[in-house]
Amino acid sequence: SYELTQPPSVSVSPGQTASITCSGDKLGTKFASWYQQRPGQSPVLVISQDTKRPSGIPDRFSGSKSGNTATLTISGTQPMDEADYYCQAWDTSTVIFGGGTKLTVL
Amino acid sequence: EVQLVESGGGLVQPGRSLRLSCTGFGFTFDDYAFSWVRQAPGKGLQWVGFVKSKTYIRTTEYAASVRGRFTISRDDSRNIAYLDMNSLKIEDTAIYFCVRGEESYDYRWGTYRIWDSWGQGTLVTVSS
Repeated sequence: SYELTQPPSVSVSPGQTASITCSGDKLGTKFASWYQQRPGQSPVLVISQDTKRPSGIPDRFSGSKSGNTATLTISGTQPMDEADYYCQAWDTSTVIFGGGTKLTVL
Repeated sequence: EVQLVESGGGLVQPGRSLRLSCTGFGFTFDDYAFSWVRQAPGKGLQWVGFVKSKTYIRTTEYAASVRGRFTISRDDSRNIAYLDMNSLKIEDTAIYFCVRGEESYDYRWGTYRIWDSWGQGTLVTVSS
């Protein structure tokens, strides 16, 4: 079955840049999305179609993709960005989520 | 304002059934697909299935783990999407989220969906 691989955890200091990767076979032939989930809350879409930021999402969030690896980058990370982040793509008609990355801002 | 409100969760015994509902507000309901995504306690997101919009004849797709036990449907006249869960197992215990999907097309990769709005979720606990 198709899988998306994320690092379990990433740590960053306030004000620095955090990068979270998502790898999967054939990811280069489909769009990736990213979701932020703060503790006790529902996920929020922060990046769609590899690079697009929905309205209301701060411009410190950006997405990119190279080959079969998508990357979520948070510039000038703030304490409020501490959350779980999930990438998502699809395979035929199924929706696939990565295992999630816990971002710690310390 | 776009809003999705799930209801119907609760405690149910193994082998029994449960129906979840997702009511949409603030947008044209029948223009969108709807997905159900679940999250077991302390775990990641797991896609359950989705129902396409009327443009795609409201067909459904399911994860292998629930195919044959779960059914997704929709009533566009009432702005509600449903998840009917049968033969529930202990491992189905999770928060179930309803997610709205904007359907689009890319000339390279065909039809795809952007899952752009999530409900607050409803907790399903399967236990004897």
